[in-house]
Amino acid sequence: AQSVAQPEDQVNVAEGNPLTVKCTYSVSGNPYLFWYVQYPNRGLQFLLKYITGDNLVKGSYGFEAEFNKSQTSFHLKKPSALVSDSALYFCAVRDITGANNLFFGTGTRLTVIP
Amino acid sequence: KAGVTQTPRYLIKTRGQQVTLSCSPISGHRSVSWYQQTPGQGLQFLFEYFSETQRNKGNFPGRFSGRQFSNSRSEMNVSTLELGDSALYLCASSLKGVDRGYLSTDTQYFGPGTRLTVL
Repeated sequence: AQSVAQPEDQVNVAEGNPLTVKCTYSVSGNPYLFWYVQYPNRGLQFLLKYITGDNLVKGSYGFEAEFNKSQTSFHLKKPSALVSDSALYFCAVRDITGANNLFFGTGTRLTVIP
Repeated sequence: KAGVTQTPRYLIKTRGQQVTLSCSPISGHRSVSWYQQTPGQGLQFLFEYFSETQRNKGNFPGRFSGRQFSNSRSEMNVSTLELGDSALYLCASSLKGVDRGYLSTDTQYFGPGTRLTVL
C-alpha cells in the first residue's frame, strides 16, 4: 500500500527566509509524487510533480522539491518566502496499482510572518 | 483555457435528503475524479470516471455514486445524507486517466469544490 506523511502540521517562517515543507512517502516501486497548495475556500492548486529524471523538480511560484529515494522524501522548498505563500500544502502520491487516484498527506499549514 | 468548474459552490441539506453535485472538467480532459475533504479524515478519494465508466472507487458506502456524460462532465450523488457527509467535495480532471490499465503520469487539476453542509 502507498502512503504519504507530512510530519509537521504547522510551519512558521519569516518573510524572506527559505522555507521547507516536509514529506515522506511509502510505496512499492517507483513513486509518482505531487505537491498541491490550498488557499482558504479554494480548491487545490498544482505546484509540481516528480515522475522520473532529475531529482530536483521546479514548479509554480518559485517552489521546488527534491526527490530523495534513499530517504523516501520529497520536501517542498522555496529560497525566499512571501507572505502570500501562507496556505495549506499537501503532498500526494499516485496509486501505483493502475488506478488514477492520489493518496494525500494530512497537510501542512505554512504561515509566513511579515 | 477555463479550469475545472463545480456547481453549486455551497449547499445546505438536512439529514435524509439526497444531493447531486456537478463537475465540468477542463476542455479536452477525459478523466474526472472526486475527493472528499474533511478536517478529521483529510482528503479521501471517492471515485474516478473515464469514458463514461467508473474505473476506480474508494472506500465509501454505496450512498455515494456518480456518473460521467459523453462530454466528460460528471455528477456525484449522495443519498440519505448523514451529518458526517458534511465536507468539501473536490473534483479533479486529467487528460487521460486510466485506460487499458496503464499508469498515467497526468496531473490532476482541481476545481474550487462544493461545500456541503448537512444539518
